[in-house]
Amino acid sequence: DTGVSQDPRHKITKRGQNVTFRCDPISEHNRLYWYRQTLGQGPEFLTYFQNEAQLEKSRLLSDRFSAERPKGSFSTLEIQRTEQGDSAMYLCASSPPGRAGEQYFGPGTRLTVT
Amino acid sequence: EDKVVQSPLSLVVHEGDTVTLNCSYEVTNFRSLLWYKQEKKAPTFLFMLTSSGIEKKSGRLSSILDKKELSSILNITATQTGDSAIYLCAAVTLSNFGNEKLTFGTGTRLTIIP
Repeated sequence: DTGVSQDPRHKITKRGQNVTFRCDPISEHNRLYWYRQTLGQGPEFLTYFQNEAQLEKSRLLSDRFSAERPKGSFSTLEIQRTEQGDSAMYLCASSPPGRAGEQYFGPGTRLTVT
Repeated sequence: EDKVVQSPLSLVVHEGDTVTLNCSYEVTNFRSLLWYKQEKKAPTFLFMLTSSGIEKKSGRLSSILDKKELSSILNITATQTGDSAIYLCAAVTLSNFGNEKLTFGTGTRLTIIP
């Protein structure tokens, strides 16, 4: 499968715990995006990488959230001291060089904070 | 703040009907408009529209952008039960940092009754 992959697909955690999600983009795509989607809403932009550089972060990304893409390939999104309001689907997308608007999404990681 | 509004929020039609979904946007530094189909997983890319008045077509789906009216429509003819999904539109804009970002609408939930 040459699409975007994410791991894990589901995560249940207790409030206050840290969680980390992984995203593997399509191999020739240089841009990688993280979004959060809650029920009944469209995806909301969190952050974006071009190769290994994190170029932009949304106001939604509090200091409990951190993302990395150390070698310009896969990326991780960590949430520290999770809160119930962090429960959502976390989507990763990638786009090819020169076509940043054309984003291909992974299956998402559904986070439930109890 | 950038805003994308979709209508209707929900639509139920019979198989074989034709539907039109609407998307309007109020954004700064507009670049293009995207349509996605989301079933029980991540959004899948349908169309990217950059130029006004030029219809893009894929099978029974077609879409057109009207930059004067700041809107786009997605048409689906001869609907089938497999068309049941949430249809998302997103405006691609240039952020203050010169990066392309997506702002999504909340989606239209389309249900096709056999």
